[in-house]
Parts: sequence; structure tokens; C-alpha cells
Amino acid sequence: DQQVKQNSPSLSVQEGRISILNCDYTNSMFDYFLWYKKYPAEGPTFLISISSIKDKNEDGRFTVFLNKSAKHLSLHIVPSQPGDSAVYFCAAHNTGTASKLTFGTGTRLQVTL
Amino acid sequence: DVKVTQSSRYLVKRTGEKVFLECVQDMDHENMFWYRQDPGLGLRLIYFSYDVKMKEKGDIPEGYSVSREKKERFSLILESASTNQTSMYLCASSLSWSNYGYTFGSGTRLTVV
Repeated sequence: DQQVKQNSPSLSVQEGRISILNCDYTNSMFDYFLWYKKYPAEGPTFLISISSIKDKNEDGRFTVFLNKSAKHLSLHIVPSQPGDSAVYFCAAHNTGTASKLTFGTGTRLQVTL
Repeated sequence: DVKVTQSSRYLVKRTGEKVFLECVQDMDHENMFWYRQDPGLGLRLIYFSYDVKMKEKGDIPEGYSVSREKKERFSLILESASTNQTSMYLCASSLSWSNYGYTFGSGTRLTVV
């Protein structure tokens, strides 16, 4: 049962344009959401997060939006750069379960010149 | 910066062998995790630990066990390796119960032949 879903396995965007990565979840007990970025042959690195009490969090070129009623979050990257090419995982924390995270299946972003 | 070190980058083992994957973190984190990453399935939690000698099953613990004799070290054990355990294994740590930001190791690519 995949509680965190990233329905787009891959996405290709031109340099300078906006990249929008989407994530849907089913568990209403999730209270905190994170995005991780993974390059080949490296472990994932934390990118940005958002609490369920907020609907937006911004950090430089990265913005995460949360729509609780739709159980949907998205990561916007503006402007996209070639170095953003990586696999992006969204992750969710279930309230009351310590710091265990449930990860999505990942979206591979390719930023082209 | 917290560092999470996985002892091997690549491993090739034979079916039926007992396999040990080692993970060490250097920043006194309480929580440690083992995930496996497979194409189309994302990161799936195998086992995690909140403290020395404590362990909890994740979503896919079958065929695995863990050991945490010291706070900084968390070992994943494949009791009798099988070909369906060929995967990328990722170790992670987090500071405490309420801290959801993981630091990941670089991963171990295990191939079972």
C-alpha cells in the first residue's frame, strides 16, 4: 500500500523554466513533509520541508506547497538549473511515530540546456 | 556536518551467504534507519533503531535483521542472501524523536548472484 505517491517517474524541463514535482498522499495522519534530492551514487540529501499547519514554505529557488484537503504537495524550482538534474523524493512523517519517514517512489528531473 | 558512513560502496555476494552491511554516524544521533531503494518502488524502510540495543521492524523486514550494540553503529544483516535482495541499501540517521531531517550515507549497491 503506497501511502506516498509520485505519479510522474520522470520530468524534463528547459534551463531557466519552472520545474514542478508533485506528490500525493493518502494518510491523513501525516503531519510533516520533506523533499530529498538524490544524485547517482550518492545518498539523498534534504532539500526543503513543510509542516502540515502551513501551506507554503520557500527557500531560495525552492518552494513547497501543501494542499491538505487534496492531500497533495508540490515542489517548485524556479529557475531550473542543470545542476538540479537528480531524482527527487517526497517523504512524510506520521504523527506519533517518532522520526520514521515514508518515502515516495521518486521523480527523475532532467534539466536541459 | 554529520557524516553517515557505509563501509562498502559495492558488494557482490552469493545466494545463501550471510551478509553484513555496516553503517556508522559520527554526531551522536539517536535514531538510525536502513532503507532499500529499488526502481519504481522508491525507498522502503527495513528496520530502524531509537537507541542502543533497540530495534523496530519497518515495512519490509523479512529476510533481514539488525544490530545496534553502540550508538554510532547500526548493522544490517542478511541472514541468507537471495537474489531478490539485490538492491541499493541506504543507511540514515536523525538526531532525535522529534527531528525528521535524515542524514543519509552514500549507499551500498549489493548484488546477490
